[in-house]
Amino acid sequence: DVKVTQSSRYLVKRTGEKVFLECVQDMDHENMFWYRQDPGLGLRLIYFSYDVKMKEKGDIPEGYSVSREKKERFSLILESASTNQTSMYLCASSTLQGSGYGYTFGSGTRLTVV
Amino acid sequence: AQSVTQPDIHITVSEGASLELRCNYSYGATPYLFWYVQSPGQGLQLLLKYFSGDTLVQGIKGFEAEFKRSQSSFNLRKPSVHWSDAAEYFCAVDHGNEKLTFGTGTRLTIIP
Repeated sequence: DVKVTQSSRYLVKRTGEKVFLECVQDMDHENMFWYRQDPGLGLRLIYFSYDVKMKEKGDIPEGYSVSREKKERFSLILESASTNQTSMYLCASSTLQGSGYGYTFGSGTRLTVV
Repeated sequence: AQSVTQPDIHITVSEGASLELRCNYSYGATPYLFWYVQSPGQGLQLLLKYFSGDTLVQGIKGFEAEFKRSQSSFNLRKPSVHWSDAAEYFCAVDHGNEKLTFGTGTRLTIIP
């Protein structure tokens, strides 16, 4: 089975800090995604990437950036954390190859900005 | 813009009763449709997906969903729920460019 691993389950950061959320997948998927999840809002797409060194803005990219230097790793960066970025962050990967098209999610990182 | 609507924020059913969770989508072409389940504090697990063909799809844990083009719906069903089905359920649509749009979720509570 594909595994998507997010490096931290819980993080507490201070306002203004630079925050890195790391995501690694082990099945050579081309596509990787970052979502944030908030009660009553579902999951909203922040950024995604279809290939190494490639990135595209999702629906709510403001205040975030991403990095994909290697195919298996997709990092989400909060340049200057703010309290309204307190949320659950979910990473996912997918591929169109074969018949198993679908998205596999990591367990999530719950970030609290104080 | 493409959108996904889950009209029920919270549903409570008795253990052993049947379940139907509603999902409607707005999309020009036949979409790829998904249902995911999320247990508290966990990531999302795929229950089932529809791409084409038979409009009734079977998933894991005894769930099924039916795609109805005329109603733009993809409702999730289970004939008899178990206490372990208590979770949050998300319907999602693929835009056609490999991006998922999610509904706001339905929280399912099971009472004994």
